[in-house]
Amino acid sequence: NAGVTQTPKFQVLKTGQSMTLQCAQDMNHEYMSWYRQDPGMGLRLIHYSVGAGITDQGEVPNGYNVSRSTTEDFPLRLLSAAPSQTSVYFCASRAVRTDTQYFGPGTRLTVL
Amino acid sequence: AQSVTQPDIHITVSEGASLELRCNYSYGATPYLFWYVQSPGQGLQLLLKYFSGDTLVQGIKGFEAEFKRSQSSFNLRKPSVHWSDAAEYFCAVGAGAAGNKLTFGGGTRVLVKP
Repeated sequence: NAGVTQTPKFQVLKTGQSMTLQCAQDMNHEYMSWYRQDPGMGLRLIHYSVGAGITDQGEVPNGYNVSRSTTEDFPLRLLSAAPSQTSVYFCASRAVRTDTQYFGPGTRLTVL
Repeated sequence: AQSVTQPDIHITVSEGASLELRCNYSYGATPYLFWYVQSPGQGLQLLLKYFSGDTLVQGIKGFEAEFKRSQSSFNLRKPSVHWSDAAEYFCAVGAGAAGNKLTFGGGTRVLVKP
């Protein structure tokens, strides 16, 4: 199993550009989540999904969209990037009957 | 809403010495508590978790943590630190179904002196 994979690893955007961060897992996990990590603030939940077709907002959802059309994939979309979205983004997944979240390696995003 | 406080931003410890990282949480119900470790440039790895039962939990890499409800704390300990333990450590409290939605503390960066 590859576990949780994220692409790209690094990305630089200009203000106003759009992009999609990809997340995929091959463990057939029902739960998937997106977090952002900023210095001194730990990780904060952006959006999460409890299954295909079901998504909900986390603590800091503004400026981000998600969808979950398959169990495996959970992309995060930035429609109009802002410098405040410069961060490291982590995707995580978990099976509904377990208690362990598995994190991807992260995507480092810089918005100029 | 739940919250997590890790009072120590940085800790420096000598190799072979003991380590204790503090974590205080705020949550209205019985908490799901986690400790994660992040090595430089890496994702997060689960060290241990507490859901219920024995308040002293054992994790990987020789770490343990003790849940103290009266103090709203979940401190992480290791009796003898190795150089490879240098990393950033995050405490988290889980809400939602079996703690799926995690709220993290700000992290404690551990430096290990030879």
